[in-house]
Amino acid sequence: QVQLQQWGAGLLKPSETLSLTCAVYGGPFDIYFWTWIRQAPGKGLEWIGEINDGGNVNYNPSLKSRVTLSIDTTKNQFSLNITSVTAADTAIYYCARSYHGSGRPRSDSWGQGTSVTVSS
Amino acid sequence: DIQMTQSPSSLSASVGDRVTITCRASQSVNYNLNWYQQKPGKAPQLLIYSASALQTGVPSRFSASGSGTDFTLTITSLQPEDFATYYCQQTYDIPRAFGQGTKVE
Repeated sequence: QVQLQQWGAGLLKPSETLSLTCAVYGGPFDIYFWTWIRQAPGKGLEWIGEINDGGNVNYNPSLKSRVTLSIDTTKNQFSLNITSVTAADTAIYYCARSYHGSGRPRSDSWGQGTSVTVSS
Repeated sequence: DIQMTQSPSSLSASVGDRVTITCRASQSVNYNLNWYQQKPGKAPQLLIYSASALQTGVPSRFSASGSGTDFTLTITSLQPEDFATYYCQQTYDIPRAFGQGTKVE
């Protein structure tokens, strides 16, 4: 049974960089895309981007200029960086495993979520 | 970007009711449509993928259909644990956008 465990700083000041990491336990790492999704307080889900072990990366164009996804296959971990954060980046951030079988991606396992608040 | 619109945004239902939620895409997403359930304070869980395939472990009272731009999630005989928010997501194109959610209360 795969488990995703995520961590990172929960309180940031405007203009700082958000950094989160997600570790994957108990499952293969190389056949999936690894995804970040966020949810602002009381709002819906926003897809941030995905990365696989081959270094293929897809970003949400609305965030692309500030977002970097990276992956460490030696540790079965992947990370999210968002630069120049503002209050609009306040959200719960989820990491997730995405299977792209048959060309129809779906996120079938999720981390527990990390609450990030941006405030001066 | 492909926009996903769910209706209704919320609905009131009782245990045993049949519930139907609709999701419409701004352009065709073929069968690249997933449904998730989210309970308060929890991460979303995958219910349905590829428009109509039931994720392993999901009760058979959940079903879904559709293709192209119009999709439906149905819960037959609503159970107490089904009170939650439901999201559709298209995975045909980048960004893999979600609908705004439907709260079943």
